[in-house]
Amino acid sequence: AQTVTQSQPEMSVQEAETVTLSCTYDTSESDYYLFWYKQPPSRQMILVIRQEAYKQQNATENRFSVNFQKAAKSFSLKISDSQLGDAAMYFCAYRSPYSGGGADGLTFGKGTHLIIQP
Amino acid sequence: GAVVSQHPSRVICKSGTSVKIECRSLDFQATTMFWYRQFPKQSLMLMATSNEGSKATYEQGVEKDKFLINHASLTLSTLTVTSAHPEDSSFYICSAREDSSNTEAFFGQGTRLTVV
Repeated sequence: AQTVTQSQPEMSVQEAETVTLSCTYDTSESDYYLFWYKQPPSRQMILVIRQEAYKQQNATENRFSVNFQKAAKSFSLKISDSQLGDAAMYFCAYRSPYSGGGADGLTFGKGTHLIIQP
Repeated sequence: GAVVSQHPSRVICKSGTSVKIECRSLDFQATTMFWYRQFPKQSLMLMATSNEGSKATYEQGVEKDKFLINHASLTLSTLTVTSAHPEDSSFYICSAREDSSNTEAFFGQGTRLTVV
């Protein structure tokens, strides 16, 4: 079974600064998908960024980018120019590429609470 | 992104009764829907995966007789919590995916269930 570990229960950053959230995972699969989700106080899950394991290039979405290190099984999220609206819980998630048998539901880490200080 | 609607957003029920939560994909056909549970200040835990027209696949430790899942159409899945107890109080979230390829699964708004 896959596991996802987020070792930072809480992070704090000044507005306009850069913050990096860490995530490591454990899997025996060679192909898979990794995601970062944002969960604001409304509790609606919002996809921030995704990465396919077969792609060596790190995914980027505007101010959000990842540092994907496949050999180290590390998938960190960098948020540049932090904004007040970025304050939320951030969850790292893993998905197997195989369908059926519940194998391709998401496995989530415990989350990191991101605080943005004005 | 596609829209997934979950209803109700909040429900309070008495211990021993059953409650049904609906998850609808509004602008796409969802071959697969997932049900997650989230305890306060904790992560989401996958409960079960349902494919349209077939029985749901439950994760280890999830009681299939207690959490009944039906996915009778390509736009609707329901989760029924039977004989609810206070320990079933939690936040339940569904997500829906169009097919088994690497397309994204979209999340509903979640349902806060309180059993009194």
